[in-house]
Amino acid sequence: EVQLKESGPGLVQPSQTLSLTCTVSGFSLTDYSVHWVRQPPGKGLEWMGVMWSGGSTAYNSALKSRLSISRDTSKSQVFLKMNSLQTEDTAIYYCTRDSLHWGQGVMVTVSS
Amino acid sequence: DIQMTQSPSSLPASLGDRVTITCRASQDIGNYLRWFQQKPGKSPRLMIYGATNLAAGVPSRFSGSRSGSDYSLTISSLESEDMADYYCLQSKESPNTFGAGTKLELK
Repeated sequence: EVQLKESGPGLVQPSQTLSLTCTVSGFSLTDYSVHWVRQPPGKGLEWMGVMWSGGSTAYNSALKSRLSISRDTSKSQVFLKMNSLQTEDTAIYYCTRDSLHWGQGVMVTVSS
Repeated sequence: DIQMTQSPSSLPASLGDRVTITCRASQDIGNYLRWFQQKPGKSPRLMIYGATNLAAGVPSRFSGSRSGSDYSLTISSLESEDMADYYCLQSKESPNTFGAGTKLELK
């Protein structure tokens, strides 16, 4: 069974760095890509970036300067790091495979 | 970046209605268009992929179509469980981009 699960801190201080982990099971990261999507409270979905199965990445143009996605295939984990967080980055962060399989999401609040 | 213009932003409708939501792509995306349903507190659910293909388990009252750069999601006869937010996503090229969303609500 394909599963994805996001984990990370629920609260991050402004200007700090967000680190999230997407732990997957039921498939190999070398066979499938994993995307990150976020959703601020009461707002729409925003595509953030992707870790392709071959190991390359692509990013949202507006976030590119702050965002980094990496992986550890041996641990079946994909990592998201975003620096210089502001209150506007408060959102639910999801990881997804194929758009068909989604994690439950992790709520991240940026506040002092 | 490819822009996806989704309309309407809000759609009041009655049970049994036929409803249509549309996304217009700013550049050619072929059939690289997906539709998602999202209910409060839940992760998005893939409904349509490849512009016209029904995802597994999605009721047949849902359909997707394309006319040039306009992509539509149609529900042939609205049921109460269909009340949700709907989003389109272009996956033709990176960065992928979502439409702004449509809130489908009871009239």
